[in-house]
Amino acid sequence: EVQLVESGGGLVQPGRSLRVSCTTSGFTFGDYPMSWVRQAPGKGLQWVGFIRTKGYGEKAEYAASVKGRFTISRDDSKSIAYLQMNSLKTEDTAVYYCTRTVPTIFAFDHWGQGALVTVSS
Amino acid sequence: DIQMTQSPSSLSASVGDRVTITCRASQSISRYLNWYQQMPGKAPNLLIYAASSLQSGVPSRFSGSGAGTDFTLTISSLQPEDFATYYCQQTSTTPWTFGQGTTVEIK
Repeated sequence: EVQLVESGGGLVQPGRSLRVSCTTSGFTFGDYPMSWVRQAPGKGLQWVGFIRTKGYGEKAEYAASVKGRFTISRDDSKSIAYLQMNSLKTEDTAVYYCTRTVPTIFAFDHWGQGALVTVSS
Repeated sequence: DIQMTQSPSSLSASVGDRVTITCRASQSISRYLNWYQQMPGKAPNLLIYAASSLQSGVPSRFSGSGAGTDFTLTISSLQPEDFATYYCQQTSTTPWTFGQGTTVEIK
């Protein structure tokens, strides 16, 4: 069974940093790109970014609103994806989901349960 | 960025109704269009990928169609468990973008 479990969310002050992890099991992690999606309270879904597989250089791409502040990485030996968030703003408050991303078509076929990140003083 | 516009934003329907949700892209995205269902407080769930392919485990009452800029999600006979919010998403070009969502409510 495919499973994705986020951890590391919480309350953080503006300007500070936080790292959310996505621990996976049930599939060959290294074969899949991984994406992050967020959802602010009461709002719709927003793509944050994704990371390609090792075969594609583990290159990451980001939404403009987080580029330069957020970094996505992966550890294929541990089957974990990471979202490092720096210089956090109040508007980054959201539930952050990691998703398994189907190669080529890039549909998100499995999602974690989400991690709530609250940025507030 | 490619803008995705869903209509309607919300609708009221009864069990057994046929429901259609449309999604329009601001430029051609070929068939790089996915549909998700989200229940309150839960993570989204993939229904349809590549415009018309049914994700494994999803009931056959869900179907998708379209190409280019215009797409539809159809629920042939609405069931009680289908009352949720539905999102389209384009993965033709980064930044990948979602529609604003369509909430299907009980009439």
